Amino acid sequence: AQKVTQAQTEISVVEKEDVTLDCVYETRDTTYYLFWYKQPPSGELVFLIRRNSFDEQNEISGRYSWNFQKSTSSFNFTITASQVVDSAVYFCALSEGLYAGGTSYGKLTFGQGTILTVHP
Amino acid sequence: DSGVTQTPKHLITATGQRVTLRCSPRSGDLSVYWYQQSLDQGLQFLIQYYNGEERAKGNILERFSAQQFPDLHSELNLSSLELGDSALYFCASSTRQNRGYTFGSGTRLTVV
Repeated sequence: AQKVTQAQTEISVVEKEDVTLDCVYETRDTTYYLFWYKQPPSGELVFLIRRNSFDEQNEISGRYSWNFQKSTSSFNFTITASQVVDSAVYFCALSEGLYAGGTSYGKLTFGQGTILTVHP
Repeated sequence: DSGVTQTPKHLITATGQRVTLRCSPRSGDLSVYWYQQSLDQGLQFLIQYYNGEERAKGNILERFSAQQFPDLHSELNLSSLELGDSALYFCASSTRQNRGYTFGSGTRLTVV
């Protein structure tokens, strides 16, 4: 069975601080996908990144960066110079590999989420 | 607009009642997923359909059922509602070509 653990329930920082959100996953699949989603107070789920199990390159997108380490089954997310608008719940999620000739993903398993509050 | 349409956005109903939540996936997406988000359970996978067939089942109660129609839209039926069924219900669709899953804006169900 797949499992995603986000050990940090809540994090509170002051604006401009860097913050890292931890994510550890468990799966027996050799091919899988990892995701991060943001859920602002308005409630929608906003896609941030997708990473497949064969790509361990770190990725940077503006103030966001992701560190994928297969050896420790971790996919951590760092926000540099945090801003008040970053306040949200952040979810890490794990998907089974593609099926149906590569046209669809299996189910997505979410972690419990980390509530990030950035104070001015 | 994500391309996944969920209706209604809000629903208030009484215990014991039955409701139907509707989801239209992104054009061309064959898979539809349903998730329940409650304060104590987080985001829980309920069920997945692929091209009209049930593909995977999660923690879906027997009082809940779903189906995907030939036009690929999906409906989640919740019956004998209890206070604990109050939650945000998300639908998502997927295709390999995009970033994986596209979520609708959710239906907030309040059972009173």
